[in-house]
Amino acid sequence: GQSLEQPSEVTAVEGAIVQINCTYQTSGFYGLSWYQQHDGGAPTFLSYNGLDGLEETGRFSSFLSRSDSYGYLLLQELQMKDSASYFCAVRSLDSNYQLIWGAGTKLIIKP
Amino acid sequence: NAGVTQTPKFRILKIGQSMTLQCTQDMNHNYMYWYRQDPGMGLKLIYYSVGAGITDKGEVPNGYNVSRSTTEDFPLRLELAAPSQTSVYFCASSHGQGGTNEKLFFGSGTQLSVL
Repeated sequence: GQSLEQPSEVTAVEGAIVQINCTYQTSGFYGLSWYQQHDGGAPTFLSYNGLDGLEETGRFSSFLSRSDSYGYLLLQELQMKDSASYFCAVRSLDSNYQLIWGAGTKLIIKP
Repeated sequence: NAGVTQTPKFRILKIGQSMTLQCTQDMNHNYMYWYRQDPGMGLKLIYYSVGAGITDKGEVPNGYNVSRSTTEDFPLRLELAAPSQTSVYFCASSHGQGGTNEKLFFGSGTQLSVL
């Protein structure tokens, strides 16, 4: 079967760096995406990794290791507006190439 | 520049009633999706479409139907509503899948309660 695991909650301090991990178990892996969702809002796209390595977009970076079935989202210089839930999603053969979503990580930022 | 537009934003149904959730996009995207999100959970795919006239089931299609007569519109029909269908529904679209096409654009969601 297929599964994605990510921590349910992470707490960090404003201005700090935080890493949100995602491990997956699937067949025919085609890529890992990250989305941000504020309470009551819709998911918004952050990043996509189709190949191993680091992708950087401003304060956010995402990393993928296909051999370890593992990825992470790195948020730097945390701001209060980064308080949200973060979802990893995997596209795989198991799901007929459609995205399978993790349960989300709630990021709590303290001043 | 509307993007993906969903209506209604909120709806309360009685058990056994039916309704249609509307979704339209103005980005000329081929791919459209319907997801549901239960509290504290990730998104579950209900149905998706890769183009006008083509639809396919996702993970949780039971109790729902879709149609895709145009590129822009992808309505979701709930027949005989049940309490288990209480959820937040999101419509999304993308230009394609994989690589630079991977980005999904979401509508603002519909909060549906079945009582």
